[in-house]
Amino acid sequence: AQSVSQHNHHVILSEAASLELGCNYSYGGTVNLFWYVQYPGQHLQLLLKYFSGDPLVKGIKGFEAEFIKSKFSFNLRKPSVQWSDTAEYFCAVNRGRGSTLGRLYFGRGTQLTVWP
Amino acid sequence: GAGVSQTPSNKVTEKGKYVELRCDPISGHTALYWYRQSLGQGPEFLIYFQGTGAADDSGLPNDRFFAVRPEGSVSTLKIQRTERGDSAVYLCASSPGTGRRLNTEAFFGQGTRLTVV
Repeated sequence: AQSVSQHNHHVILSEAASLELGCNYSYGGTVNLFWYVQYPGQHLQLLLKYFSGDPLVKGIKGFEAEFIKSKFSFNLRKPSVQWSDTAEYFCAVNRGRGSTLGRLYFGRGTQLTVWP
Repeated sequence: GAGVSQTPSNKVTEKGKYVELRCDPISGHTALYWYRQSLGQGPEFLIYFQGTGAADDSGLPNDRFFAVRPEGSVSTLKIQRTERGDSAVYLCASSPGTGRRLNTEAFFGQGTRLTVV
């Protein structure tokens, strides 16, 4: 079965610290990869996505993610976090084709708390 | 509004009762998805519609769960004989795309928090 693993359930950082959130998936075929963010009291929002091409993807608010196919990983990074980045972050994977094309597989999420 | 709208935002029901959860997608979006999110977990896929038809309903946990989208826009998730284990946030999302980039722009609603007592 498809699975998505997020290694850290809760990360606490001070402002200006660097961030890296891990995400690994188990599916070996063609995949589309996503990071979603959920700010307190708000709905899930797309942070960035990877379909093909340059494995280093830049998203909104200074976030980026790197797809490493050999490691089945899609880690999220930000060089300097802000208090407003406090949120829950979800990694999600979608198969590139087939009957489950419309399905996103989500990780458990990582709660990021940034102290001012 | 311009986003995905879900009603009600909160629903408390007694065990054994029937509930309906409504999703109003972004206008023009052909794909619509339902997910369920339990406490401490990521969203779990339930069903997705392309137009009026359910393209993939393999995530529905059992036959107490059913969803419709009769006119290709609004969708209703129906749960019969609710159980305490059905308590979760039910999320709806929509996207405009087809093909490989189906989920390129999946916009989520705020969700309906269902509590079965």
